[in-house]
Amino acid sequence: DIVMTQSPDSLAVSLGEGATINCKSSQSVLSSSDNRNYLAWYQQKPGQPPKVLIYWASTRGSGVPDRFSGSGSGTDFTLSISSLQPEDVAVYYCQQYYNAPVTFGQGTRLEIK
Amino acid sequence: DVQVVESGGGLVQPGGSLTLSCVASGFTFSSYWMTWVRQAPGKGLEWVANIKQDGSEKYYVNSVKGRFTISRDNAKNSLSLQMNSLRGEDTAVYYCTRNFGVFDSWGQGTLVTVSS
Repeated sequence: DIVMTQSPDSLAVSLGEGATINCKSSQSVLSSSDNRNYLAWYQQKPGQPPKVLIYWASTRGSGVPDRFSGSGSGTDFTLSISSLQPEDVAVYYCQQYYNAPVTFGQGTRLEIK
Repeated sequence: DVQVVESGGGLVQPGGSLTLSCVASGFTFSSYWMTWVRQAPGKGLEWVANIKQDGSEKYYVNSVKGRFTISRDNAKNSLSLQMNSLRGEDTAVYYCTRNFGVFDSWGQGTLVTVSS
């Protein structure tokens, strides 16, 4: 199984400041056949199910604000939030869907400083 | 709007059985793989099982193989998870999700608690 490791485990950022969450996979999730990274990011707010923010490593999901962006390729990926808003308090997960079984990172808790 | 609604969770003793259900609406259910993902209290997300559009392929996480069975009824837009020989480590919120590799539509989940 591909192991997904996120860093940091938790993060406190001031409102309006930027936040960066990293995700590393134990093997590449870049497909040579279609040149796509099979990597997604989810946001889970307290008491709610997860919501997909980013897929194909950098494509924003429907209705996702443009302050959220994804980058990276191969084994190293980043989720960036450009200007933290109160509603961004959540746990963020990366997920690979390159190999079965799909696997998730352990999550990064984002709080307001 | 795309919607999935889970039901069937509850308290069950170790070794017991439970069947979870999910009803989908707002999309062509028969066109999508469907998946169960679970989340133990205070923990992260774990993929549990997948089923192909026509039910011909099913896959399970190793820890539930032989104990859980995923199934679907496309005529009723429904997904099920039959869970037998339940263990304490199966305690979790179980989510039904639409699957195109990425899980793009999630229900609110149903809580399964395995305890004596």
